[in-house]
Amino acid sequence: NAGVTQTPKFRILKIGQSMTLQCAQDMNHNYMYWYRQDPGMGLKLIYYSVGAGITDKGEVPNGYNVSRSTTEDFPLRLELAAPSQTSVYFCASSPLGRHQPQHFGDGTRLSIL
Amino acid sequence: AQKVTQAQTEISVVEKEDVTLDCVYETRDTTYYLFWYKQPPSGELVFLIRRNSFDEQNEISGRYSWNFQKSTSSFNFTITASQVVDSAVYFCALSEVSNDYKLSFGAGTTVTVRA
Repeated sequence: NAGVTQTPKFRILKIGQSMTLQCAQDMNHNYMYWYRQDPGMGLKLIYYSVGAGITDKGEVPNGYNVSRSTTEDFPLRLELAAPSQTSVYFCASSPLGRHQPQHFGDGTRLSIL
Repeated sequence: AQKVTQAQTEISVVEKEDVTLDCVYETRDTTYYLFWYKQPPSGELVFLIRRNSFDEQNEISGRYSWNFQKSTSSFNFTITASQVVDSAVYFCALSEVSNDYKLSFGAGTTVTVRA
């Protein structure tokens, strides 16, 4: 009964480093999403995917990349970490039918120092 | 422009009091969906309810109730007889057909229930 699993839960990066945030879902959902949540703010969509091999930009894509090679996995890549990318990152998935509720992972708290 | 406005940043109540969270949205679509999510101190987001634009019937689920009014573009959420476990950040979100069903979140309302 895993749902959406995000790893790692916490990470501290130095400016300019790269890393990949992992997201996996076991619900066979077609749609997957990456959001960032800054303090006192709602969630902002970074990237989303409607199926394997298909990705698209959200509201705040700059500085990030994604790939979707399988239905289950949707990793988020930070190439050159910047302090402005300090945030909590959430991965979510939803089944076919885009008005379906999204199921969220527990989040990854990322600090760039 | 902000599509979803949650004007209340923080609400603090004493246990057993009722609390109403306001949500005002903006859209030109005739077909859209509204959601409420709860984010407890542990950090995960929990789906609470979804309503579509064609169904203005208000809903009650246990201590939770929702008031959807298209005339005022509002989708308010009430917790009756609040409990300490209700302490969380509550987010209202809008999904529009014209925006490819992507969710637009409000900034959230932090609810603190004191014993």
